[in-house]
Formats: sequence, structure tokens, C-alpha cells
Amino acid sequence: QVRLQESGPGLVKPSQTLSLMCTVSGGSVSFGHHYWNWIRQPAGKGLEWIGRMYTSGFTTYNPSLKTRVTISPDASKNQFSLELTSVTAADTAVYYCAREWDDSSGPYFDSWGQGTLVTVSS
Amino acid sequence: DIQMTQSPSSLSASVGDRVTITCRASQTIITSLNWCQQRPGKAPRVLISGASKLQSGVPSRFSGSGSGTDFTLTISSLQPEDFATYYCQQSYSIPRTFGQGTKVEIK
Repeated sequence: QVRLQESGPGLVKPSQTLSLMCTVSGGSVSFGHHYWNWIRQPAGKGLEWIGRMYTSGFTTYNPSLKTRVTISPDASKNQFSLELTSVTAADTAVYYCAREWDDSSGPYFDSWGQGTLVTVSS
Repeated sequence: DIQMTQSPSSLSASVGDRVTITCRASQTIITSLNWCQQRPGKAPRVLISGASKLQSGVPSRFSGSGSGTDFTLTISSLQPEDFATYYCQQSYSIPRTFGQGTKVEIK
């Protein structure tokens, strides 16, 4: 059973960079055929996919955030990270990391972290 | 981007009721449609993948159907633990997109 756990600062100042880490246990970020994703949810609102990283390190981002987002692996620690630059209050949200699994029924997010709240405020 | 539209946005129902939630995609996604449940303060969890495949551990009262652009999630007999928000999500293309959610509340 794979487990994911987000970590990082809960408060970020406007215009600064939001940095989060996702620690994976029971699976590998650098082996297998999975995508490792970041998804966020503003309070009381729906889910927004931020981007993903394949086990090879290849990344794909949501075009709406592409100019500000970087997702990268740390294979030595079995982690992957999210960096979001030039944040504003609109980036305040619960941030989730999640694995996308692909089987005969197609791709789906089968494992999620518990989520971490990041507030952008001075 | 593929837009996902759910209806209704919220509903009130009683324990034992049959509940149906619909999801429409802005273009065909074949059967690349997943349903997830989110309880307050918790992460989402997948219920159904590929429009109709029930995930392991999910009660059989949940079922999904549809293809192309129109999909349905049905709860055959609502239980107390089913009061939550439900999201559809397309896995046909990037970016992955979600419906706005349907909140199922106690009547």
C-alpha cells in the first residue's frame, strides 16, 4: 500500500515561492510506470490539477500555472517536490500529492496524501 | 482543456434513498472518467474508474455508467457515511480536470 505525505511551510508571503515536498513510502518515485501529481483545493472550492512527474522525471504542467510551476524528484529520499513562484492570495489552498495509477480501466488517482494547507499572506 | 460539469451542485437526501449524480464532459472522453468521494477535512478517494469499474473496498451500492460525454454515479441506498462531496474527473487528456463537485447532504 503506497502512502504519501506532504510537508512544508504553512505560510508564504505574497510574491515569494511556495515549496512543498511529498514523501512516498511503499512505492518508488523513480521506478515503475506511475505519475506523481500535485493537486490543490482552495477552501470550499473544487480540485485543480497542478502537474505531474513521471518516474523518469519527465514533467507535465497545467497550462494555467505552467510559467510558475516546477515539479522535481529527489530519488535518494523517495520524494518529489512542488515549487510555485510569485504566489498571491489566489494560491492559498490545501495542496495534495497523489499517485496516478493506470490499469485496464485507465488512469486514476489511487493514492493521496492527507493534504497540507498553505496560506499566502503578509 | 476539457470542462467537466456536474449536476446537481448539491442535493438533500435521506438514508435509504437512491441518489444519482450526472457529469458531462465538454468533448468526448470515451470512458476515461473517474468518480471520487471527499469527506470534510479528508483527501478524496477514488470510487469508480473507467466510468464503471468499482474500486476495491468500495461498497457495491455505488455504480457508474456512461460513455462519450455523459456519465452517471448512482448510490442505490444512501448510507450515513455517504454524506460527502462527489467529484467526477477526466483522465482522457492533459490537463486533468474535475467537475465542480456535488455535495450530498442529509435531509
